[in-house]
Amino acid sequence: KAGVTQTPRYLIKTRGQQVTLSCSPISGHRSVSWYQQTPGQGLQFLFEYFSETQRNKGNFPGRFSGRQFSNSRSEMNVSTLELGDSALYLCASSSTGATTDTQYFGPGTRLTVL
Amino acid sequence: AQSVTQPDIHITVSEGASLELRCNYSYGATPYLFWYVQSPGQGLQLLLKYFSGDTLVQGIKGFEAEFKRSQSSFNLRKPSVHWSDAAEYFCAVGAQTKTSYDKVIFGPGTSLSVIP
Repeated sequence: KAGVTQTPRYLIKTRGQQVTLSCSPISGHRSVSWYQQTPGQGLQFLFEYFSETQRNKGNFPGRFSGRQFSNSRSEMNVSTLELGDSALYLCASSSTGATTDTQYFGPGTRLTVL
Repeated sequence: AQSVTQPDIHITVSEGASLELRCNYSYGATPYLFWYVQSPGQGLQLLLKYFSGDTLVQGIKGFEAEFKRSQSSFNLRKPSVHWSDAAEYFCAVGAQTKTSYDKVIFGPGTSLSVIP
């Protein structure tokens, strides 16, 4: 069974631009969560989508948004990029999103904002 | 406040030696506890988790962890480390009353180096 895939793996943008990251979950998984990982803040939850609906949201500004498609693939968008948005963005999928289900992580997208 | 601490930022061990990575938490509710590993350039992989029952939990890759409620700890152990175990290790805590991953708090991580 294929794992969680994320594209692109690396991205370089400049301040003020916007970016879209993509995540394809494991087949059959309906929950997709996004995390931001930085050396200073560690791993922080961004949001979770389940059946095309945002079900949970972390403490991030409105510049961070996402969506999920009917095939469970998910995208996250960051508008008006800031230097502090440089991070590894991780996507994780699970069957239902409950903590009793194992979350499987993708390799991440490394975003650098110049 | 809810928090997870991993007192050791970096640990170096020799291949074949035993390993213990520490995790302490402060959580107002009965916890769910997780250990994840992150290899360079990769996402996180679940090593093991504790929800209830036996406080000694077996995981993948020969790892085990012990939940000690009195010490608010969930330390990860391995009897004999392999060079491929070099990675970043994260402890995470959630609440049994909050069953979604948005409520799971991750520790800052411990970086493990293995000397051949």
